[in-house]
Amino acid sequence: DGGITQSPKYLFRKEGQNVTLSCEQNLNHDAMYWYRQDPGQGLRLIYYSQIVNDFQKGDIAEGYSVSREKKESFPLTVTSAQKNPTAFYLCASSIGGYSPLHFGNGTRLTVT
Amino acid sequence: KQEVTQIPAALSVPEGENLVLNCSFTDSAIYNLQWFRQDPGKGLTSLLLIQSSQREQTSGRLNASLDKSSGRSTLYIAASQPGDSATYLCAATDMDTGRRALTFGSGTRLQVQP
Repeated sequence: DGGITQSPKYLFRKEGQNVTLSCEQNLNHDAMYWYRQDPGQGLRLIYYSQIVNDFQKGDIAEGYSVSREKKESFPLTVTSAQKNPTAFYLCASSIGGYSPLHFGNGTRLTVT
Repeated sequence: KQEVTQIPAALSVPEGENLVLNCSFTDSAIYNLQWFRQDPGKGLTSLLLIQSSQREQTSGRLNASLDKSSGRSTLYIAASQPGDSATYLCAATDMDTGRRALTFGSGTRLQVQP
């Protein structure tokens, strides 16, 4: 089955540690996105990539980093510079252009 | 900058009732508008996508309308069922940004009582 896999589902880290969230898709999609969701709020765009080896900052990129070395993978690193990292993180992909987004099931990150 | 607002934030209705969820956006230069469903702790499932040239889209008991001139979209759910309980989010794709990403509302949490 084609889809987007985010792992792990739950992640716990101590303050000051970097952590990497995985996102893999087998839909052969060119574009991939990372969103953050906080309770009672909509999704906010962190980073996006329209094509391999290229990515751009979204609205809240500070404290995050990404890479896009392979078409099917778009890992997100939450660095210690991110002030409030505890949140629900969602990865999405699309064929490109204005095509509909397909979402993974998310990773809930808790930093204490 | 595009802003998307959804009212109400939460809604509780008895089973069988028809209901309308509202979505408004500030910049009418959108390419399309999507409605998503989100179950607790899960990702988003796309329900309906309306292109800017369209007025509405239908899928089963769901009907979404779009009025660009007034900056509004509505999601109509007919004969609601307990299985419809979820958070519904709308999102707009702006025409004049190169990123092709969505601007989301904060969602309406729907509870359908059996």
